[in-house]
Amino acid sequence: DIQMTQSPSTLSASVGDRVTITCRASQSISSWLAWYQQKPGKAPKLLIYKASSLESGVPSRFSGSGSGTEFTLTISSLQPDDFATYYCQQYNSPWTFGQGTKVEIK
Amino acid sequence: EVQLVESGGGLVQPGRSLRLSCAASGFTFDDYAMHWVRQAPGKGLEWVSGISWNSGSIGYADSVKGRFTISRDNAKNSLYLQMNSLRAEDTALYYCAKSAVRVELLSWFDPWGQGTLVTVSS
Repeated sequence: DIQMTQSPSTLSASVGDRVTITCRASQSISSWLAWYQQKPGKAPKLLIYKASSLESGVPSRFSGSGSGTEFTLTISSLQPDDFATYYCQQYNSPWTFGQGTKVEIK
Repeated sequence: EVQLVESGGGLVQPGRSLRLSCAASGFTFDDYAMHWVRQAPGKGLEWVSGISWNSGSIGYADSVKGRFTISRDNAKNSLYLQMNSLRAEDTALYYCAKSAVRVELLSWFDPWGQGTLVTVSS
């Protein structure tokens, strides 16, 4: 199975900061990668698919990049609503998720 | 509006069985693959099982293979997960999730239901 490794596990940042989360795949997944945001007590919400396509309704401060084995999720200017846990997912069977990155208030 | 509503969770003893259901509405259910994903308390997301639109392709995580069975009833717009021989490590919130791309099994998930909690304990 393809392993997904996210870094960092926890990230402390302030409102207005530029934030970058990295996701590495154990083998090439082309652009078969999605990013989700999860807040406490809530279901995950889709942010990015096909590595860099922004889901409709998601603020443009979120962006994704990468292909092959290395991917990034960037929040250009962190907002109070963005403090949450973020997961990457590769969607080649079987589907696997990264372990998550918690974005905390600094 | 797409809605996925899970049910059937609860407290169950190790070794016993439980059947989860996911009622879907707001989209043409039999056009989409569906999945179960779980999240143990305080932990990350783990894909459990997926089923194609016509039940022709089914997959399981190694951790549940041989114990869990996924199925769907397109006439009832419903997805199921039969869980047998439950273990303490199966304790988790179980989410139902829709494949985002019509007919395509290899797709990201959107949206997700709110989950149903399964607790395996004596």
